[in-house]
Amino acid sequence: EAAVTQSPRNKVAVTGGKVTLSCNQTNNHNNMYWYRQDTGHGLRLIHYSYGAGSTEKGDIPDGYKASRPSQENFSLILELATPSQTSVYFCASGEDWGSGAETLYFGSGTRLTVL
Amino acid sequence: GDQVEQSPSALSLHEGTGSALRCNFTTTMRAVQWFRKNSRGSLINLFYLASGTKENGRLKSAFDSKERYSTLHIRDAQLEDSGTYFCAAESGGNYKPTFGKGTSLVVHP
Repeated sequence: EAAVTQSPRNKVAVTGGKVTLSCNQTNNHNNMYWYRQDTGHGLRLIHYSYGAGSTEKGDIPDGYKASRPSQENFSLILELATPSQTSVYFCASGEDWGSGAETLYFGSGTRLTVL
Repeated sequence: GDQVEQSPSALSLHEGTGSALRCNFTTTMRAVQWFRKNSRGSLINLFYLASGTKENGRLKSAFDSKERYSTLHIRDAQLEDSGTYFCAAESGGNYKPTFGKGTSLVVHP
């Protein structure tokens, strides 16, 4: 069974602090994604990756960095956390079927609160 | 087991026809969302329902919390409807949705 594991599940940070959200997948998928979920906005794409060493900007990359050191791991980094980054963050890995079709496997989410 | 079971996993339609995607839930859900993924990975929010039905153009969604399911109906399918569709459901006061595994839709001429 494909698995995507996020850590931590909950995090409280202070404004200006550094936060790293981790994601690990055992699916051997090339594609990985970071989204944030906010009321009224649905899921918005922050960064994504096509494989180890690759990171690409999504729709709302400002204030975030990403790192893909290996096929299995994809991290989201907030160098200087702000209260506006309080949200629920989801990681996903993608099984590419070709012809633009892709199944996403989501982690269970990380709730981040920035005070 | 999975809380959200989405079906079918893949669907092929001819232009102009229609079909329904379904998500069944193993527990009572508070609300459901439907998304469509574009080629880059962005998830476009189609519907958010706490109950009842909503319609937008050729898409219509229904959510029955008591019967533990939600559907997304597509009518008069067009080539540009091709893509992967996801449902995500929230249970209780968690507000962290659980996602279905997606339905890959291909619309043929």
